[in-house]
Amino acid sequence: QQQVKQSPQSLIVQKGGISIINCAYENTAFDYFPWYQQFPGKGPALLIAIRPDVSEKKEGRFTISFNKSAKQFSLHIMDSQPGDSATYFCAAGAKGNTPLVFGKGTRLSVIA
Amino acid sequence: NAGVTQTPKFQVLKTGQSMTLQCAQDMNHNSMYWYRQDPGMGLRLIYYSASEGTTDKGEVPNGYNVSRLNKREFSLRLESAAPSQTSVYFCASRQGAGGANVLTFGAGSRLTVL
Repeated sequence: QQQVKQSPQSLIVQKGGISIINCAYENTAFDYFPWYQQFPGKGPALLIAIRPDVSEKKEGRFTISFNKSAKQFSLHIMDSQPGDSATYFCAAGAKGNTPLVFGKGTRLSVIA
Repeated sequence: NAGVTQTPKFQVLKTGQSMTLQCAQDMNHNSMYWYRQDPGMGLRLIYYSASEGTTDKGEVPNGYNVSRLNKREFSLRLESAAPSQTSVYFCASRQGAGGANVLTFGAGSRLTVL
């Protein structure tokens, strides 16, 4: 059973546009929601993360929106650039010795 | 550079051969993980070690074994490789086993089983 559902699987956005990737979870024990960014040939790297006590976190052009009641969170990339072209993974974590649970990833292509 | 180092980066095996993927981290992290990445399947956890001396199965452990050699090193062994194990393998580590600890990944090991 997939615990974190991510959509869309792929996304094409014009340069300067807004990229939006959505994730949904079921386990209410999750209390940490990171996003990882992966460039071709590289390992994933932490991009931004949020805790459920806030509804939004912004770092530069990247924003996480969190809806605790709907058990959903999303990544918004403002003014998308070709350099943002990568695969993005959402994840969820809980306290204790439990590994992060990852979504299946979204391949983003930003075209000029 | 500090981080997670994986060897080898590329490997081609024949069905039935065995091999070990090596992983070492120099960040003094307690927890280490092995994932595989396949197109459309995301990152799937194979095994993890929450602390030195412990190992646990993840989502897809069949066909694999692991050894937490010491705090720095966590190896993944394929005893009898199968074509279904063709994948990119990532090792990762973090300070604690749960909560808001940043997971740091290696650069990956691309394995092809013929």
